[in-house]
Amino acid sequence: AQSVTQLDSHVSVSEGTPVLLRCNYSSSYSPSLFWYVQHPNKGLQLLLKYTSAATLVKGINGFEAEFKKSETSFHLTKPSAHMSDAAEYFCVVSESAGGTSYGKLTFGQGTILTVHP
Amino acid sequence: DTEVTQTPKHLVMGMTNKKSLKCEQHMGHRAMYWYKQKAKKPPELMFVYSYEKLSINESVPSRFSPECPNSSLLNLHLHALQPEDSALYLCASSQAFWGRYEQYFGPGTRLTVT
Repeated sequence: AQSVTQLDSHVSVSEGTPVLLRCNYSSSYSPSLFWYVQHPNKGLQLLLKYTSAATLVKGINGFEAEFKKSETSFHLTKPSAHMSDAAEYFCVVSESAGGTSYGKLTFGQGTILTVHP
Repeated sequence: DTEVTQTPKHLVMGMTNKKSLKCEQHMGHRAMYWYKQKAKKPPELMFVYSYEKLSINESVPSRFSPECPNSSLLNLHLHALQPEDSALYLCASSQAFWGRYEQYFGPGTRLTVT
């Protein structure tokens, strides 16, 4: 079985300061990991994905995430927050092979990012 | 083009109405999905179509009826809904139903059942 825990339900930062959104996962099989962003009343947009290639993954809009197998973590970072980054972020795991959850996405509960001027 | 389109954007329906939600993608993806998202919650998977065949039904009530007329289109037929069915309904697609492939989401249909 697979699961995702987003360690913070809300994160508040000032514009221009770093962003860290934390995610821990559990997976019995080789996981693929994703971060999605959802702006209010919008669909989900893929920020980045990890699928067993490089452990440091770069995404859109200056975001990146590092896959750490020993810590079962996949934290999302950005060096400098922008007002437009204010949204809800979902960490998502999918098992690439085997398992009863094969192919299905498991979502974390989401982290709401607030950016102050 | 990585766009998934959904119509309508908003839908208000009574509990005795019949309506349909539509989803379209032109990325050549062979897997398509319906999700339901309540406020302040992550999306919940409802149905998965793989190569135009229903692969997964997550024990969704029969008042929701999916249909995949061809590889680019996905419909969700609604009948005799309850007020608790009010939610954002998201469609998604991926290259195939396999965990390595990212899913692309549409903007959603905001459904209100009165």
